[in-house]
Amino acid sequence: AQKVTQAQTEISVVEKEDVTLDCVYETRDTTYYLFWYKQPPSGELVFLIRRNSFDEQNEISGRYSWNFQKSTSSFNFTITASQVVDSAVYFCALEPGAQKLVFGQGTRLTINP
Amino acid sequence: DAGVIQSPRHEVTEMGQEVTLRCKPISGHNSLFWYRQTMMRGLELLIYFNNNVPIDDSGMPEDRFSAKMPNASFSTLKIQPSEPRDSAVYFCASSFKGISSGNTIYFGEGSWLTVV
Repeated sequence: AQKVTQAQTEISVVEKEDVTLDCVYETRDTTYYLFWYKQPPSGELVFLIRRNSFDEQNEISGRYSWNFQKSTSSFNFTITASQVVDSAVYFCALEPGAQKLVFGQGTRLTINP
Repeated sequence: DAGVIQSPRHEVTEMGQEVTLRCKPISGHNSLFWYRQTMMRGLELLIYFNNNVPIDDSGMPEDRFSAKMPNASFSTLKIQPSEPRDSAVYFCASSFKGISSGNTIYFGEGSWLTVV
């Protein structure tokens, strides 16, 4: 079965704190892709990153970083020095080779000033 | 560059009425997806097309829902008759499906449907 679990339903932190959003996935496919999307209060879904199953290198983009660990089937997302504009719902998604994205339930992140 | 364009952005309709949601994918993309987002079920894939052909419609809830893609630049999702439980945000998305999988799917801004 293909499944994505985002155990943290809601997270609330104070601005400038670092925050990590967890994502655990399940798939039997050996080739798959993982994604993170951001859904700000305006409602659109914004693509953040794509990672394939053969590339376990961590990635950093500005204040955002992603830690992919196949051994624990996790693809966690860290925001460093969070800002109020980071407030959104963040979705982790799995594409198990059939171009059907399976989404987690999302984590609602609130950054308080 | 224009992203995925959806219309209407918001629609309120009465139960029993027909609803048509429209989507224009990103130019050059050959795969199109319709997703539905609700609080209870999260983001669900309803149907996806590749080269205008429906590939998987297993997520379509029931016969009241239908989707078409008459050409590479236009798709519709129709609900007839609509019911209150159809109230949700409907997202259209597109991607370019090449030889490999894992192509990034880009979403429109969503159509917020309320059936009263």
